[in-house]
Amino acid sequence: GDSVTQMEGPVTLSEEAFLTINCTYTATGYPSLFWYVQYPGEGLQLLLKATKADDKGSNKGFEATYRKETTSFHLEKGSVQVSDSAVYFCASRETSYDKVIFGPGTSLSVIP
Amino acid sequence: DTGVSQNPRHKITKRGQNVTFRCDPISEHNRLYWYRQTLGQGPEFLTYFQNEAQLEKSRLLSDRFSAERPKGSFSTLEIQRTEQGDSAMYLCASSPRVGSDGELFFGEGSRLTVL
Repeated sequence: GDSVTQMEGPVTLSEEAFLTINCTYTATGYPSLFWYVQYPGEGLQLLLKATKADDKGSNKGFEATYRKETTSFHLEKGSVQVSDSAVYFCASRETSYDKVIFGPGTSLSVIP
Repeated sequence: DTGVSQNPRHKITKRGQNVTFRCDPISEHNRLYWYRQTLGQGPEFLTYFQNEAQLEKSRLLSDRFSAERPKGSFSTLEIQRTEQGDSAMYLCASSPRVGSDGELFFGEGSRLTVL
């Protein structure tokens, strides 16, 4: 079945450092891809999305590009802030069943 | 704002008891999802509905779990004869009609502790 794999954490970065969180997916078709974020004490919320190959999703300085050839959707930010400390989940929506599958999450801590 | 609402937020129960969680989705969202999340893990799919129809149920879900969405609005998730392994956060999410990008809108979850 479809699945999502992402780099394990926790990841600790200094403020203004560059962030990359790797995500790869397996799917029989061409899923939509998402990054969700969970801030401490809050529910999951959508950070960005891409619905087809080569699309780039962006929000709050974060970006991710849908790479069909490498089945990847890596999350990047050029300069992280303390307020970016959260758990980040990569997810895919199966094209045939409309079910959304999540990766295990990557915890990010940004220190001043 | 009428976001996704879940009740109760916390439930502590003894092993063997039954528990029921309720989810009120965003109005006009016809798809509703239940997930389970344990510490340090991503949300694990349990089941989902389109309107009142339950379209898929995870094979990982035992027969002790049942979900309903009787009128295509709110949903309930019942766990019978709870076990300690059922302790987790139960998340509900809703999504607009078919053909949307599939973004899920999550509630804040219902945390279950089985003693």
